[in-house]
Amino acid sequence: GESVGLHLPTLSVQEGDNSIINCAYSNSASDYFIWYKQESGKGPQFIIDIRSNMDKRQGQRVTVLLNKTVKHLSLQIAATQPGDSAVYFCAENGGAANFGNEKLTFGTGTRLTIIP
Amino acid sequence: DTEVTQTPKHLVMGMTNKKSLKCEQHMGHRAMYWYKQKAKKPPELMFVYSYEKLSINESVPSRFSPECPNSSLLNLHLHALQPEDSALYLCASSQVAQSYEQYFGPGTRLTVT
Repeated sequence: GESVGLHLPTLSVQEGDNSIINCAYSNSASDYFIWYKQESGKGPQFIIDIRSNMDKRQGQRVTVLLNKTVKHLSLQIAATQPGDSAVYFCAENGGAANFGNEKLTFGTGTRLTIIP
Repeated sequence: DTEVTQTPKHLVMGMTNKKSLKCEQHMGHRAMYWYKQKAKKPPELMFVYSYEKLSINESVPSRFSPECPNSSLLNLHLHALQPEDSALYLCASSQVAQSYEQYFGPGTRLTVT
């Protein structure tokens, strides 16, 4: 079946450096992607999303890049801070057929650790 | 108010107990979700309610029984659970047919003894 996966389960970055978290997806019908941050003991928190008609979207200190040719998604976090330490999940919608049910499929997650 | 609240925060129950998890949102969202999350794993979808009607059941065992009494509330009734059902249970909500963004609550940490 289709799945969303991440290349690296863990990532350690020096405070102040930039980090890049990668995600590969296999459902070519997906046209919406979202990144969530989950801190220990909390629910997932929205970071940024992107639709398939875009290849880049920027937020505050975060940028999401979408490469539909190779079905790859990445989350860039600039000038990382200790508060960025968390597990990051990408998720995809599986295409417009799911609209009305708003079903998301989550990737396996990457644990980002910021080293002071 | 952009918050999804869940009660209780923690729950310990025996395999013969009956308990309920509660979720509430006041964002006017008409889609609500239950997810199960095991340690170091992504959330797994269990149920989706759209306009207070069950629209998706991801083949969840009948010992989990969802209920959506109104557009702001979502319950998950638990009965005869197994130790492997111990997990973080997350509730989420979203708009219907407008956005895929789901807003998550903090979860209920369930331990089945």
